Amino acid sequence: KAGVTQTPRYLIKTRGQQVTLSCSPISGHRSVSWYQQTPGQGLQFLFEYFSETQRNKGNFPGRFSGRQFSNSRSEMNVSTLELGDSALYLCASRLGDQAIEAFFGQGTRLTVV
Amino acid sequence: GEDVEQSLFLSVREGDSSVINCTYTDSSSTYLYWYKQEPGAGLQLLTYIFSNMDMKQDQRLTVLLNKKDKHLSLRIADTQTGDSAIYFCAESLYQGGKLIFGQGTELSVKP
Repeated sequence: KAGVTQTPRYLIKTRGQQVTLSCSPISGHRSVSWYQQTPGQGLQFLFEYFSETQRNKGNFPGRFSGRQFSNSRSEMNVSTLELGDSALYLCASRLGDQAIEAFFGQGTRLTVV
Repeated sequence: GEDVEQSLFLSVREGDSSVINCTYTDSSSTYLYWYKQEPGAGLQLLTYIFSNMDMKQDQRLTVLLNKKDKHLSLRIADTQTGDSAIYFCAESLYQGGKLIFGQGTELSVKP
């Protein structure tokens, strides 16, 4: 069974640009969460989607947005990139919104220059 | 409020036991988790414990929970060099949803 797949693995963008990251959950999983990992702030929750609906949102500016498609794949978008957005973005997949276990992908390493 | 604290570094000798500690503040936490992160990789779920349990054992891993003191620990028996990684403690207020992570403890295992 394939794990959580995040694409691309690495990305370099310029300040002011926008970026879209993709996450395909484990087959059959319907809940997807996103996290940002930086050396300074550690792992921080961005948002969670279940059945195409945002269920929970972290404390990030509106430049960070996401969505989930009917096949449970999710995308997150960051507009007007800032240097501080450089981070590892991790996606976690759960079977359902009451599932206990969350499984993470390898992450997308975003560098903003 | 939600806050999870961990010590940043731990160094042990191969074959010894490692104990990684974590404290959390939210008494509403329902599940507490341990994740492992190797360099350049995502997070690997190691184990979790429900907040009404005191202990959970899974092969070389033992999780102890002191709910009164809001203290969680992960013991790794017979630590191997392959266990070198960063270990994160996390809490959730409901099953597996929004996870609040500690800063991570970097475990270094010396031969």
